[in-house]
Amino acid sequence: AQKITQTQPGMFVQEKEAVTLDCTYDTSDQSYGLFWYKQPSSGEMIFLIYQGSYDEQNATEGRYSLNFQKARKSANLVISASQLGDSAMYFCAMREDSGGYNKLIFGAGTRLAVHP
Amino acid sequence: GAVVSQHPSRVICKSGTSVKIECRSLDFQATTMFWYRQFPKKSLMLMATSNEGSKATYEQGVEKDKFLINHASLTLSTLTVTSAHPEDSSFYICSARDVGGQGGDTQYFGPGTRLTVL
Repeated sequence: AQKITQTQPGMFVQEKEAVTLDCTYDTSDQSYGLFWYKQPSSGEMIFLIYQGSYDEQNATEGRYSLNFQKARKSANLVISASQLGDSAMYFCAMREDSGGYNKLIFGAGTRLAVHP
Repeated sequence: GAVVSQHPSRVICKSGTSVKIECRSLDFQATTMFWYRQFPKKSLMLMATSNEGSKATYEQGVEKDKFLINHASLTLSTLTVTSAHPEDSSFYICSARDVGGQGGDTQYFGPGTRLTVL
């Protein structure tokens, strides 16, 4: 079974509107971390936001917020007031703290296109 | 924020040659670094976990003798693709684990290296 599932291969959004990118995960660990990364066409992976499994409040970083629903095992990324520069691939990732070295497991990614 | 550099950004080589890629954490010490491979329009595939001062841990299906990893210091890990062949052409990206980063444990990525083997 896939541990990280991103069901949206591609998403479109109008500039200045909000968009939600879906991510569900599967783990039996009690302690884990959830991450979102942005990968523009240049290829670099840019860290956006982090949510710990014990964090009770949803993480926020500027225009990014993470809608964490633990019971549903979902960690959706919300981008408010989309900008043209937000067009990129977005990857959801999970770190399971029970394993050694804390490897990240990535989802397949969602390509976001922001239209003017 | 934590910065990770990777060099070279692009390399083109002939089949049969070896290529070394460097990954450096610039403003933090990283006892653990990771090497990924990414095919076009695909997600990142973890190749190996590099630990300072010890042998790397390779993922299933990754040839240890093909992809040599050395983590000689707390800020540098190298990946050497030995006897490269066209099928090794790919985008290689490293990350460094910052235990003092946001969330207490975050991987920061280098800009990647695009390898083309002719």
